[in-house]
Amino acid sequence: KAGVTQTPRYLIKTRGQQVTLSCSPISGHRSVSWYQQTPGQGLQFLFEYFSETQRNKGNFPGRFSGRQFSNSRSEMNVSTLELGDSALYLCASRYSSDGNTIYFGEGSWLTVV
Amino acid sequence: AQTVTQSQPEMSVQEAETVTLSCTYDTSESDYYLFWYKQPPSRQMILVIRQEAYKQQNATENRFSVNFQKAAKSFSLKISDSQLGDAAMYFCAYRSLAKGGSEKLVFGKGTKLTVNP
Repeated sequence: KAGVTQTPRYLIKTRGQQVTLSCSPISGHRSVSWYQQTPGQGLQFLFEYFSETQRNKGNFPGRFSGRQFSNSRSEMNVSTLELGDSALYLCASRYSSDGNTIYFGEGSWLTVV
Repeated sequence: AQTVTQSQPEMSVQEAETVTLSCTYDTSESDYYLFWYKQPPSRQMILVIRQEAYKQQNATENRFSVNFQKAAKSFSLKISDSQLGDAAMYFCAYRSLAKGGSEKLVFGKGTKLTVNP
């Protein structure tokens, strides 16, 4: 069974640009969440999607947005990139809205220059 | 809001020895999960062990076990017979089970574990 797949793995963007990151959950998993990891702030929750609906959102500005498709794949978008958006973005999936085990992907490394 | 505190930024252990990583948390909820995740240099978060708050018995997974003290809000991870492959960042995480709650994980800042040969 394939794990959580995130693309792209590495990318470099310029300030002011926008970026879209993709996450394919484990087959059959309907819940997808996103986390941002930085040295200063650690791991912070961005969003959670279940069956195409956003169930919760973390304390991030509106430049951060996401969506989930009918096949459970999810994308997150960051507009008007700032240097501080440089981070590892981790996607996680689980089977159901109350599933116990959360599986993480390998992350997408975003560098903003 | 829930918080998770890992008071040991770094720990080291000799190969084959035992090490304990500390974690405390703050919550007013009674139903929740606690997790330990391992993040090796590859950066993928790997679940090490999980504890349901309603279970009094401490969870065990092979060489990994926890000491869960619900009243003290403490959740430490013990690694026995440490191996070189155990070297990684270890994160303690909390997840609410409140009705209608989200699956959001609240993480501690992590403990970097070094295993010396």
